[in-house]
Amino acid sequence: GAGVSQSPSNKVTEKGKDVELRCDPISGHTALYWYRQSLGQGLEFLIYFQGNSAPDKSGLPSDRFSAERTGGSVSTLTIQRTQQEDSAVYLCASSPFGTGAVKDYEQYFGPGTRLTVT
Amino acid sequence: AQSVTQPDIHITVSEGASLELRCNYSYGATPYLFWYVQSPGQGLQLLLKYFSGDTLVQGIKGFEAEFKRSQSSFNLRKPSVHWSDAAEYFCAVGAANFGNEKLTFGTGTRLTIIP
Repeated sequence: GAGVSQSPSNKVTEKGKDVELRCDPISGHTALYWYRQSLGQGLEFLIYFQGNSAPDKSGLPSDRFSAERTGGSVSTLTIQRTQQEDSAVYLCASSPFGTGAVKDYEQYFGPGTRLTVT
Repeated sequence: AQSVTQPDIHITVSEGASLELRCNYSYGATPYLFWYVQSPGQGLQLLLKYFSGDTLVQGIKGFEAEFKRSQSSFNLRKPSVHWSDAAEYFCAVGAANFGNEKLTFGTGTRLTIIP
């Protein structure tokens, strides 16, 4: 079946511009995660949507970052007034949720969006 | 809160040699543990996972990992590496608490394979 898809695969933007990154999770997966991976760094958690619960936004680095998830499926990560330090690969992952089984923890990752802020 | 430490930033191994990547976690109860692999330009792929039971778990691509509670470790091993194993490897821990399935990842170990 189809995996997690992300678009665009690459995005170059000028400092100060806004960008939107899109994630399409695996069909039926109700948990969705956004991570940021900077050069040479691990995965930095950004935000977590879990079913119908309020999202866990504890990882968002500033109020320039926001995310929404429409209809429990597609998610958009928005970065306003981009800065050069926002340059990174943004990864999205999804997982089943609410099954009460350990497979709820298995995250399936998309290929990422490489963001370059010039 | 849980945390993960991968003490080796970069490891170089000869093709055909054995491999062990270290992972130490911190969590107050029994954790759920994972190893993911990221090939250049790719997303992360799940290699293997530990939830309970047998502490030696087998994964894809010939990898295995052993959960050692006394050492708070979950080291990844492979008896004979192939050039295609060159990648970045991430260890992750999750709280065994349904409703809180967020994972915490280590900073990764980059594996280089030499002929």
